[in-house]
Amino acid sequence: GDSVTQMEGPVTLSEEAFLTINCTYTATGYPSLFWYVQYPGEGLQLLLKATKADDKGSNKGFEATYRKETTSFHLEKGSVQVSDSAVYFCALSLNTDKLIFGTGTRLQVFP
Amino acid sequence: GAGVSQTPSNKVTEKGKYVELRCDPISGHTALYWYRQSLGQGPEFLIYFQGTGAADDSGLPNDRFFAVRPEGSVSTLKIQRTERGDSAVYLCASSLASRPPYNEQFFGPGTRLTVL
Repeated sequence: GDSVTQMEGPVTLSEEAFLTINCTYTATGYPSLFWYVQYPGEGLQLLLKATKADDKGSNKGFEATYRKETTSFHLEKGSVQVSDSAVYFCALSLNTDKLIFGTGTRLQVFP
Repeated sequence: GAGVSQTPSNKVTEKGKYVELRCDPISGHTALYWYRQSLGQGPEFLIYFQGTGAADDSGLPNDRFFAVRPEGSVSTLKIQRTERGDSAVYLCASSLASRPPYNEQFFGPGTRLTVL
């Protein structure tokens, strides 16, 4: 079935380090891809999305490119901040519109 | 404007009891979704409403779970004969419509259900 696999955490970085969180997917069709973020004590928020191959989603310095050939949607940021500490979820959606989430990756950024 | 709201924020109940969880979507949003998030996991889809009707209930784990949206706005998730395994955070989301580009889902803060 359709699924999302993302790297296990926690990912621990120093402030201003480069971030990559890997995400790969399996889908029977052509999904839209998303990254959601859950800050401590808050609800899920959409961070960025891409709806077709080679699209790049970007927001708040984060980027992810929809790679159909490798079925991937890796999240990157050039210089993380302490305030980026959160749990990040990769997700896909097909025509049924429900979101299928990965298990989440916790990011901890230290000063 | 107001976001998606869910009540109660926390619910503790005993095994075998009945519970109702409420979701108020963003005004004007026609699509409403319920998800369940167990500890350390990503949210799992339960049911999706388009207007008043359940368009997809394939994620409901068994017939103890039921959801309604009688007027196309507020939705209630109902769980009968609760079991300890039902303990999780129940998330509600809404979107303006169900098709791109209006299908971005906005999530509520969740209801944490604990079954003792």
